[in-house]
Formats: sequence, structure tokens, C-alpha cells
Amino acid sequence: TQLLEQSPQFLSIQEGENLTVYCNSSSVFSSLQWYRQEPGEGPVLLVTVVTGGEVKKLKRLTFQFGDARKDSSLHITAAQPGDTGLYLCAGGSSSNTGKLIFGQGTTLQVKP
Amino acid sequence: NAGVTQTPKFQVLKTGQSMTLQCAQDMNHEYMSWYRQDPGMGLRLIHYSVGAGITDQGEVPNGYNVSRSTTEDFPLRLLSAAPSQTSVYFCATRTGLLSYNSPLHFGNGTRLTVT
Repeated sequence: TQLLEQSPQFLSIQEGENLTVYCNSSSVFSSLQWYRQEPGEGPVLLVTVVTGGEVKKLKRLTFQFGDARKDSSLHITAAQPGDTGLYLCAGGSSSNTGKLIFGQGTTLQVKP
Repeated sequence: NAGVTQTPKFQVLKTGQSMTLQCAQDMNHEYMSWYRQDPGMGLRLIHYSVGAGITDQGEVPNGYNVSRSTTEDFPLRLLSAAPSQTSVYFCATRTGLLSYNSPLHFGNGTRLTVT
């Protein structure tokens, strides 16, 4: 069974601080997606990484896929209150008939 | 475009009651799925479908039934609700079964409480 472990589960920081969220597995994934979810809404895709070592940037957010495609990280620079939300990683694999496996999520609170 | 529409938004059931959670999409996506979200457990796949007439089980299918008679609709049925089914349910769609690189498009969820 493929599992994705996210850490930390909760993070409360001040506006302007930097943070990193980790998504780890003992399994290899063909792709790794990151979603952000706000209260009362469904998750929305932020990025998909598919190549080992790949780095993608989305404004102040930097996403990295591990070289072995078993882990990923999300780094936020100079966090803002608008970054508050639940961040979810999800792994996809051709050996898993296309199903996505989600991590437990990281709840981020950015205080002004 | 409405995208993925889930109804109802909130529901309270008594143990043993039945109900159907509705999911409709207007994006012509082949793949539709149901997840449940519980605190500290992320999203867990209940059932999924790769097209009309085709459904399969996910990680946590017990207590839930699905059917897919049209491309647009994918209802989730609880035949005899239990308190363990208290959760937030999300319907999600994407293009194709093997397109695991494609984004999932989620509805806004149904919050279900079983007393």
C-alpha cells in the first residue's frame, strides 16, 4: 500500500516568515501534485511535478520533487495571511490504476 | 461553466437512515470519484468511475454504493448510515483514468453528520 506522510500537520507563523512543508513516502510515484484547500471549499490544484529533481515556482511558492520521486517539498517565502489554508500533497502512479493517494494535509495559519 | 456541483451542502441523518449524495459535472470528464475527508486523515477514495456503466472500489468502499448511468452524474448512496460515516464528502473529476498527471476538479463538498 502506498502512503504519503506530510509534515508538519499544523503550522502557525507570523506574516513574513518562511516555511517548508514535506511530503514523504517509501514508494515511487510517477507524479506528485500539491493542492490548497480553503474552509468550505474543495481542494484546488497548485502544481504537478513529474520529473525527479524537478523544481517549479508559483510566485512565492517553490515546489520540488525528490530525485528518487519518493518525496516532495513546498517552500513558501515571506508568508502572507492569504496563504492560510490546508495544503495537501497527492501522489499518482501508473501501477495504481491512476488513483491518487493523498497525504494527511498541513494546516497553515499565517498571522498578520 | 458550473464545474462540479454537489448537493446537498449539509445533511444530518439518524443511524440507519439512507440517503444519496449527488454529484454532477459539465466538463465532459470521463473520470469521476468520491472522497471522504476526516481530520488528520487527508482524503480517502471511496469509489471511482472511468465512464458510464463502469465503477470500481477505492480505499474505503464499505457502506457506500455508486452507479454511473450518464457521463454527467455520479451519485453516492448510503444505504444504512452509521456514525462512522460522519465526514465531509467530495466529488472529484478529471480527464481519463490513466491521466494521473491531470488535475482533479473538486466540488465544494457535502458535510454529513450521522447521529
